[in-house]
Amino acid sequence: GDSVTQMEGPVTLSEEAFLTINCTYTATGYPSLFWYVQYPGEGLQLLLKATKADDKGSNKGFEATYRKETTSFHLEKGSVQVSDSAVYFCALTPAYGQNFVFGPGTRLSVLP
Amino acid sequence: DTGVSQNPRHKITKRGQNVTFRCDPISEHNRLYWYRQTLGQGPEFLTYFQNEAQLEKSRLLSDRFSAERPKGSFSTLEIQRTEQGDSAMYLCASSLSERDPNEQYFGPGTRLTVT
Repeated sequence: GDSVTQMEGPVTLSEEAFLTINCTYTATGYPSLFWYVQYPGEGLQLLLKATKADDKGSNKGFEATYRKETTSFHLEKGSVQVSDSAVYFCALTPAYGQNFVFGPGTRLSVLP
Repeated sequence: DTGVSQNPRHKITKRGQNVTFRCDPISEHNRLYWYRQTLGQGPEFLTYFQNEAQLEKSRLLSDRFSAERPKGSFSTLEIQRTEQGDSAMYLCASSLSERDPNEQYFGPGTRLTVT
């Protein structure tokens, strides 16, 4: 079945450091890919998405590119802030189907 | 607040009891989803509705679980004869199929603890 794998956390960075959170997926066809973020005490929020190969999703300084050849959707940010501390989930929706398949999440802590 | 709301936010129950959770989606959204999230894991899909019709159910949804959306607005998720393994966060999400069914908006969740 479809699945999503993320790098294990926690990831701890200093403010203004460069962030990469790796995400790879297994799916048939062409799924849509997403990054969701969960801030402490809050619900999941859509961060960015990409629906076809080579698309780049971006939001709030975060970016991720849909790489079909490597089945990856790595999340990057050039300069993290303390307010970016959260759990980040990579997810996909199958080419034929409605339900999300989520990765296990990666906890990011940004220190001042 | 016009986001997805869930009640209660926390529920503690004894093993064997029945519990019911409620989800109120964003008002114009016709799709509603239920997920379960255990500690340290991502959400797992349980079921979804389009309007009042339940269109897909996960194998995770045992016969002790039932979900309804009787008028196509709010939804309830009931767990009968709760077990300790049911302890988790139960998330609800909604979307608008005509715009982008994959852009799901999540509620804050109901945390269930079975003692």
